[in-house]
Amino acid sequence: DGGITQSPKYLFRKEGQNVTLSCEQNLNHDAMYWYRQDPGQGLRLIYYSQIVNDFQKGDIAEGYSVSREKKESFPLTVTSAQKNPTAFYLCASSGGGTYNEQFFGPGTRLTVL
Amino acid sequence: AQKITQTQPGMFVQEKEAVTLDCTYDTSDPSYGLFWYKQPSSGEMIFLIYQGSYDQQNATEGRYSLNFQKARKSANLVISASQLGDSAMYFCAIGGYQKVTFGIGTKLQVIP
Repeated sequence: DGGITQSPKYLFRKEGQNVTLSCEQNLNHDAMYWYRQDPGQGLRLIYYSQIVNDFQKGDIAEGYSVSREKKESFPLTVTSAQKNPTAFYLCASSGGGTYNEQFFGPGTRLTVL
Repeated sequence: AQKITQTQPGMFVQEKEAVTLDCTYDTSDPSYGLFWYKQPSSGEMIFLIYQGSYDQQNATEGRYSLNFQKARKSANLVISASQLGDSAMYFCAIGGYQKVTFGIGTKLQVIP
């Protein structure tokens, strides 16, 4: 089945440590996205990538980094510079087109202790 | 710039009744798409329905329909015959070139 996978589902880290969240898709989509969701909030865009080896900052990129070495993969690193990293992180992909319909992975809940 | 406004933080509906979730938008893009997503307590975002700005007819997908009023910049979601499994957060979103902007969501609770 085609889809988007994120691992792990739950992640715990100590303050000051970098952590990398995985996102893989087999939908053959060109575009991929990372969002952050805090309790009771909507989704805020962290980074997005339209093609391999290229990515753009979203609305809240500070303290995060990404890479896009393969079409299928778009990992997100939460660095120690991110002041409040505890949140729910969602990865999405899109086949492009005029309206940019996005499909989401199951999410990773990151808790920094 | 794109903006989505969802003014209903929470809604209750009786099982088997219909419910309308409100969404208004603003955009400078001449062509755009409007989407609704469902987020159950498990956290995954489930795509429900989509409407293109130039589509003449309102979109429908099973029990979901999108009441699109372009002049009023509104894209309300109508769920008919509500079921207990419809209890979730619902997000309206607008998509244009490269980016999609989401609203803050409406929490729907279906009462038996």
